[in-house]
Amino acid sequence: GAGVSQSPSNKVTEKGKDVELRCDPISGHTALYWYRQSLGQGLEFLIYFQGNSAPDKSGLPSDRFSAERTGGSVSTLTIQRTQQEDSAVYLCASSLGTGRNSPLHFGNGTRLTVT
Amino acid sequence: GENVEQHPSTLSVQEGDSAVIKCTYSDSASNYFPWYKQELGKGPQLIIDIRSNVGEKKDQRIAVTLNKTAKHFSLHITETQPEDSAVYFCAAITDTDKLIFGTGTRLQVFP
Repeated sequence: GAGVSQSPSNKVTEKGKDVELRCDPISGHTALYWYRQSLGQGLEFLIYFQGNSAPDKSGLPSDRFSAERTGGSVSTLTIQRTQQEDSAVYLCASSLGTGRNSPLHFGNGTRLTVT
Repeated sequence: GENVEQHPSTLSVQEGDSAVIKCTYSDSASNYFPWYKQELGKGPQLIIDIRSNVGEKKDQRIAVTLNKTAKHFSLHITETQPEDSAVYFCAAITDTDKLIFGTGTRLQVFP
């Protein structure tokens, strides 16, 4: 079956431009997470959607970052006025329930390079 | 909030030897601790997890131990093989169901 799909797989953008990263979760999964992985670093939590509840945005590093999830399915992470320090791999994950009772299934990520 | 520390950052072992990766967490209310394996160019995949009502869990060559009092948990891989080479992440769940990850351990198994 299809796993979590992220697009694009690679994105190169100029400093100051806006970018949109897309995540298609596994069908039926109610939870969706975004993480950021900088070169050689761990997984930094960004935002968590669970069903129809208000998202947990506590990990977003600045107001240039925002995310939405339409119809409880596809999610878009938007970074406005990109900076070089935004360069990283952005990983999306979905799970059937909450993170404590069902595993997170990750996509292969979008590698963002800001020049 | 929850903070997870992971050691070592890199680990090199000979094929057939054991590997141990250790993590500590800060929030005593955390009760679920998964381990993920990330191969090059891919997203992490769950390999084993443990809940706070048990002290040890084993799955073939992989085992995880948990010491709730000390807020430590560890991953043990026995009889390592070259295909075990990857980056391993520990994680702990918060009371709001966020998974907070450690900084990762790059394991290299030399034939």
